[in-house]
Amino acid sequence: QMHLQESGPGLVRPSETLSLTCTVSGVSMSRIPYYWGWIRQSPGKGLEWIGNIFYTGSTNYNPSLKDRVTISVETSKNQFSLRLDSVTAADSAVYYCARRSGDYYHFSDWGQGTLVTVSS
Amino acid sequence: QSALTQPPSVSGSPGQSVTISCTGTSSDVGSNSRVSWYRQPPGTAPKLMMYDVTYRPSGVPARFSGSKSGNTASLTISGLQAEDEADYYCSSYSSSNTHVFGTGTKVTVL
Repeated sequence: QMHLQESGPGLVRPSETLSLTCTVSGVSMSRIPYYWGWIRQSPGKGLEWIGNIFYTGSTNYNPSLKDRVTISVETSKNQFSLRLDSVTAADSAVYYCARRSGDYYHFSDWGQGTLVTVSS
Repeated sequence: QSALTQPPSVSGSPGQSVTISCTGTSSDVGSNSRVSWYRQPPGTAPKLMMYDVTYRPSGVPARFSGSKSGNTASLTISGLQAEDEADYYCSSYSSSNTHVFGTGTKVTVL
């Protein structure tokens, strides 16, 4: 049974960098061709795809965020991470990590989400 | 990329059917069969309900069905039940190798 768990600071100052980690259990990230993604949801709003990383390390990002986003994977720790630079209040959201199988284009497994608030 | 367009809300009585539409463009919904649907009860993470337009993951009841015509996909819930009350989001893979979600629809069981 696969499990994904987000972790990271719940409060980030404006103009600083948001950093989150997703720890995956139940599968070896280095062995199976999955995509690992980040999706966020601002309070009372809809879902917004941030980006994916393939187990090989190749990435795709939302064009509206690509200048500020970096997603990386550390297969030895079975983790992948999100870095979002120069945050503003508009980046306050629940951040979800999720898994997409390599041959499919949907997210089958999701973490529970973690709330990040951008405020001074 | 712009969010896919969904109606803000739909409602129905128990046992009735409701359909949620999801309208995109020829670059996303209209370009392939990679449309998926997610259900999100309040305060919880989204759960996959439909993928590749018409396929149900294991454990999703057969009263959930999907379809697509041109740039618009649809999710139909037949035999509406109280447990179906939640927010529903569509998603599409686009020709630029990105994902886009819909604006979300609140399903209310009267």
